[in-house]
Order: sequence, then C-alpha cells, then structure tokens
Amino acid sequence: AQSVTQLDSQVPVFEEAPVELRCNYSSSVSVYLFWYVQYPNQGLQLLLKYLSGSTLVESINGFEAEFNKSQTSFHLRKPSVHISDTAEYFCAVGGVDTDKLIFGTGTRLQVFP
Amino acid sequence: EPEVTQTPSHQVTQMGQEVILRCVPISNHLYFYWYRQILGQKVEFLVSFYNNEISEKSEIFDDQFSVERPDGSNFTLKIRSTKLEDSAMYFCASALSGDTIYFGEGSWLTVV
Repeated sequence: AQSVTQLDSQVPVFEEAPVELRCNYSSSVSVYLFWYVQYPNQGLQLLLKYLSGSTLVESINGFEAEFNKSQTSFHLRKPSVHISDTAEYFCAVGGVDTDKLIFGTGTRLQVFP
Repeated sequence: EPEVTQTPSHQVTQMGQEVILRCVPISNHLYFYWYRQILGQKVEFLVSFYNNEISEKSEIFDDQFSVERPDGSNFTLKIRSTKLEDSAMYFCASALSGDTIYFGEGSWLTVV
C-alpha cells in the first residue's frame, strides 16, 4: 500500500522569500511522484512530476522538486515566491502496480506582500 | 493545450435523487478516472477505467456509483441515490499512458 504525508497544513511566507513544502511517501514498489496545485475555486493542475531519470525536476514557473529515495521524500521548493503562488499544493504518489494516485492532505501556501 | 472538461460546474440535488456528472477527457487519452474531494479534505480516488471496463475502484465506489463511456468521447459518473455525504467536488481525469494524470476543473455537487 502507498501513502503520502504532507507535514505542513499551512505555510505562510512573504513575497520573494524562499519556500519548501514537504512531502514524504511510503511504497513497497517503484513510485511516480507528482505535485499538483489548486488555485482558489479551480481544479487540480499538474505542477511537476518524477517518473524516472534525473531526480531533480522543474516546473515552468520556477518550482522544483527532488526525489530522494533514501529519505522517501519529494519536497517542493521555490527560491523566490510571488503573490500569485498562493494556492493549495498537493503531493501525490502513483506506482508501477496501479493506475491510481494517492494524495496527501495538501499544504496551503499563503504568500504575503 | 488540450484539457479535460466537466459539466456541470455546480449541481444542487435533493437526497435520494440520481445525478450524472459528465466529462470529456483529452481526446487521445486511454485511461479515465473519477476522484472526489470533500470540502476541506484530501482528494480521494474513486475509480479508474481502461479499455471499456473498470480497472480499479476504491471502497467509496459502492453499488450506488457507476461509470460509463457511452460514445467514445464522454465519460460519465452516475450516483444512483444521492446521500448528504456525497456532497463534494468530483474531478474527472484522463491519462495517455497511466503515469501522468490530467484533471478537469471539477463538478461541485451539493446534496440537500
């Protein structure tokens, strides 16, 4: 069975500051890892993903995440956040033995001016 | 950019009524899903559908739920007799190869 833990339910941060949203997973099989973002009153948008290969993956809007197998983590980082990054961020895990995703409880990123 | 579209965006229904939520997946995708998110809670998997049959379903997806791909483009979720606890945002999703899933904007269902 797979599970995802997002330790921080809320992360407040000032604009232009760096941020890290934590995600840990557990799985008995090889995993695929994802970060989805949900802006207020909108659906889920794929932010970035790790399927295989390079452990560092990046999004087009400056976020990056690193797959760390030994620590079973896939933390999301951005060196300088904008007000527009305010949203709910969900970490999700999939696996080679299933076609469903297991989501974490989400982290609400609130960026203040 | 192609996207998953869902209708209706909002629906209010009385307890015990049947509801059909509709989805148009991305056109060349082969895997189809329904997820739901009860207000304030995590996104939960309901069902996956591949090759015209259910490939996986969760405990939530009981006999009151059914899915159908009636015409090769639409993918529907039917709730036969809605309960108050079915109130949630329902997300349709699709994938080409099963490893990267794209979600729609969601259909907000309120059961009163």
